[in-house]
Amino acid sequence: NAGVTQTPKFQVLKTGQSMTLQCAQDMNHEYMSWYRQDPGMGLRLIHYSVGAGITDQGEVPNGYNVSRSTTEDFPLRLLSAAPSQTSVYFCASSYAQRGSPGELFFGEGSRLTVL
Amino acid sequence: AQKITQTQPGMFVQEKEAVTLDCTYDTSDPSYGLFWYKQPSSGEMIFLIYQGSYDQQNATEGRYSLNFQKARKSANLVISASQLGDSAMYFCAMRERRGFKTIFGAGTRLFVKA
Repeated sequence: NAGVTQTPKFQVLKTGQSMTLQCAQDMNHEYMSWYRQDPGMGLRLIHYSVGAGITDQGEVPNGYNVSRSTTEDFPLRLLSAAPSQTSVYFCASSYAQRGSPGELFFGEGSRLTVL
Repeated sequence: AQKITQTQPGMFVQEKEAVTLDCTYDTSDPSYGLFWYKQPSSGEMIFLIYQGSYDQQNATEGRYSLNFQKARKSANLVISASQLGDSAMYFCAMRERRGFKTIFGAGTRLFVKA
């Protein structure tokens, strides 16, 4: 099983450019989410989804869009990149059923630099 | 509002000794889960241990145990017999049953000394 696959692993953008970080999981997880990791700030939740067609904002949603058209895929879009969005991005998924712990399975991370 | 606090930016421990990493949380949801994850220098996130809010016993997984004090809203991670390979960032996380979203603390960097 591939688990959670994130692409690209590295990306350099110029201010104002747009891009999409791709995330796919093959574990039939209902819950998918995006985090950004910055030094000293841990992982901050950007957006999350509990199923196809359902998305919600996390702690730091501004500047990011998501959609969930299938159970497997949860892309993260930066419409107009800013230097403040330079970060490492993680996609994570889990089961979302009562009675299951719901530990997160993470992708390998995507390092984004905005110049 | 959901909140996780880790007050120790860095910790040192001697090899083979035990170490406790602190985590406090806040939530209005009576049903929630608490997690610890490890992030080695290679960058991947590794799930270590889980504690449910209604679990009567503290969770244990090998050398990891979770000291859960519900009234104090704390969920400290105890690592027994530290090994050099335990040097990493450790994150405490919480998932509310209502909505399922999971948030993380700022993390604690653990250094194990030989």
